[in-house]
Amino acid sequence: EPEVTQTPSHQVTQMGQEVILRCVPISNHLYFYWYRQILGQKVEFLVSFYNNEISEKSEIFDDQFSVERPDGSNFTLKIRSTKLEDSAMYFCASSEARGALNSPLHFGNGTRLTVT
Amino acid sequence: GDSVTQMEGPVTLSEEAFLTINCTYTATGYPSLFWYVQYPGEGLQLLLKATKADDKGSNKGFEATYRKETTSFHLEKGSVQVSDSAVYFCALTGGTSYGKLTFGQGTILTVHP
Repeated sequence: EPEVTQTPSHQVTQMGQEVILRCVPISNHLYFYWYRQILGQKVEFLVSFYNNEISEKSEIFDDQFSVERPDGSNFTLKIRSTKLEDSAMYFCASSEARGALNSPLHFGNGTRLTVT
Repeated sequence: GDSVTQMEGPVTLSEEAFLTINCTYTATGYPSLFWYVQYPGEGLQLLLKATKADDKGSNKGFEATYRKETTSFHLEKGSVQVSDSAVYFCALTGGTSYGKLTFGQGTILTVHP
């Protein structure tokens, strides 16, 4: 069964450094998402992306964050200058149609980001 | 805004025990409700869903009924197995959350032989 893949599985970075988290969504999916989960807290929506532009973003997704689909397969999340509070598990997801109601979101295994 | 509250965990059960994980929500309008499961080392997978009041979602022996009057969507299973050990997330979309999922905090379930 096709799956969403995320790399790396664990990323350690120093505060102030830029980090790029990578995702390969399922090939025929058109909608892409990033979620994150700070340890012990809820899974939180960050951003959704469709047709090469952001369709929705949360207040967490400030100017430090950006997303890109640089080619036909990858979907990336960049954090420009990481802060300690960015330490979390970051999940990428994709779906065929918009919204979890119309088609299920398929999640990757996550990238654990640790900022020291 | 919309929110989802799950029972505090972790939950530890013996094999064949009955499972209930409570979930309540706050949302405007008529959200759709979901349970996602995350097995060790894997991503979140959709377990079941319900799109309107009194709907019952079911999958792999798990069930949950959309109760609008109590704004609840409790997950139940009559007889758990060791392989059900995972983290379970209640979530909603719709209301003000259309197009994205609003999750609860997750409940860790451990089933012992």
